[in-house]
Amino acid sequence: GENVEQHPSTLSVQEGDSAVIKCTYSDSASNYFPWYKQELGKRPQLIIDIRSNVGEKKDQRIAVTLNKTAKHFSLHITETQPEDSAVYFCAAAVSARQLTFGSGTQLTVLP
Amino acid sequence: DTAVSQTPKYLVTQMGNDKSIKCEQNLGHDTMYWYKQDSKKFLKIMFSYNNKELIINETVPNRFSPKSPDKAHLNLHINSLELGDSAVYFCASSPVGAGELFFGEGSRLTVL
Repeated sequence: GENVEQHPSTLSVQEGDSAVIKCTYSDSASNYFPWYKQELGKRPQLIIDIRSNVGEKKDQRIAVTLNKTAKHFSLHITETQPEDSAVYFCAAAVSARQLTFGSGTQLTVLP
Repeated sequence: DTAVSQTPKYLVTQMGNDKSIKCEQNLGHDTMYWYKQDSKKFLKIMFSYNNKELIINETVPNRFSPKSPDKAHLNLHINSLELGDSAVYFCASSPVGAGELFFGEGSRLTVL
C-alpha cells in the first residue's frame, strides 16, 4: 500500500518568513495529493490539492509543487501570519476514496 | 447548517464498556469514512462506506463495528473498550471522484 513520509515534524518561523513542508510517497500510481490544515481542537480542512497532471498550483500565499519522477511534493507558505499556526498534513491517493496521510507538521509562526 | 456532524463530541468511559459514535452528513455525498487520530496527531483511516456498502476495512480490531443505515449516516460501535482506544475519531464524507474529504468536528474518546 501507499506510504507517505512528511518532514519536518515541527517547524517554527518568524512572522513574514516562508515555510516549506515536504512529503514523499511510495506508490507511483498515486495521482492525487491534497494538503489539510488542522487548527488546535478543530477538524482537518483542505487548503490546496494537486493532481498528477500538474507540476505546481498556487492559491494566494500557499503553493504546492509535485515532482512525480522523484515522488515528492511540497507545500510552500509565503508571508506567514500567526493564523497560519496549525498542524499541516499531506496525503496521497491512487483513488479519491483512500487517502494515506503523512504524520503531520506542527507549524508555529512567531510574532 | 453543519455539513458533517458527529455525536457525542466527548465520551469518557471505563475499560470494558461498549460505546457508539454517530455521524450524519447533509452534503449528499456517496462515501463516508471513519478516521482515528491518536495522541501524536496521526490520522489513520479505519473504514470507508460507499452507498451503504463497506469498501475499505483497514486492520482494525473486530471490536470496532461500523454500520451505515443509509448513505447519509455512518455509525461506529466499539465493544470492550481498551485504554489504547483513547483517541479522537473523525467521521468524513466525500463526493464520488472529487477527492476532498469533509470532516466532522471529531469525537474525543477517553477510556479510563
